[in-house]
Amino acid sequence: AQSVAQPEDQVNVAEGNPLTVKCTYSVSGNPYLFWYVQYPNRGLQFLLKYITGDNLVKGSYGFEAEFNKGQTSFHLKKPSALVSDSALYFCAVIRGGSARQLTFGSGTQLTVLP
Amino acid sequence: SQTIHQWPATLVQPVGSPLSLECTVEGTSNPNLYWYRQAAGRGLQLLFYSVGIGQISSEVPQNLSASRPQDRQFILSSKKLLLSDSGFYLCAWSVGATGNTIYFGEGSWLTVV
Repeated sequence: AQSVAQPEDQVNVAEGNPLTVKCTYSVSGNPYLFWYVQYPNRGLQFLLKYITGDNLVKGSYGFEAEFNKGQTSFHLKKPSALVSDSALYFCAVIRGGSARQLTFGSGTQLTVLP
Repeated sequence: SQTIHQWPATLVQPVGSPLSLECTVEGTSNPNLYWYRQAAGRGLQLLFYSVGIGQISSEVPQNLSASRPQDRQFILSSKKLLLSDSGFYLCAWSVGATGNTIYFGEGSWLTVV
């Protein structure tokens, strides 16, 4: 079985400050990890993924995420938050294989305050 | 580049009426196709996926069905809607058997009244 947890329902950060959205996972074997962003009344947009290689993954809109195997975490980060980053963020995991096995977290609402 | 189209964007239907949501993907061949439902603006639930024409797998028993009449077309249907079918429905695709990244459409809001 595989699972992913996003321990914070809501994260607030001031514009210009660094942001972190947390994600931890549980999967046997090597995980494939993903971050998606959802703006109000829109579909999910793919931000970045970790499959193998460098633990620091860079993605769209200046976001990056760090894979930490020891802590089974894949936190999403951005050095300087923008008001336009305010959205719902989803972490997801699969243990290799087909994307139909993708398991999503419950989402974290990020609000960047001007 | 690949694009995914989903329609209608918004739908208000009475209880007991039929449903048809349609999704098409452009710019790729033989994609894996998915229907998800998102309840209460958060949790994503996989409803159906398809690896080819006429091949549908259901993840959750429910009042809905899916069909794939063409390689890049995926349809979500119901013969008689229930109030509990209300929600945000998302079509998605991934590249063939080895694709591990899912790409989503813009979603369809369904309100059953």
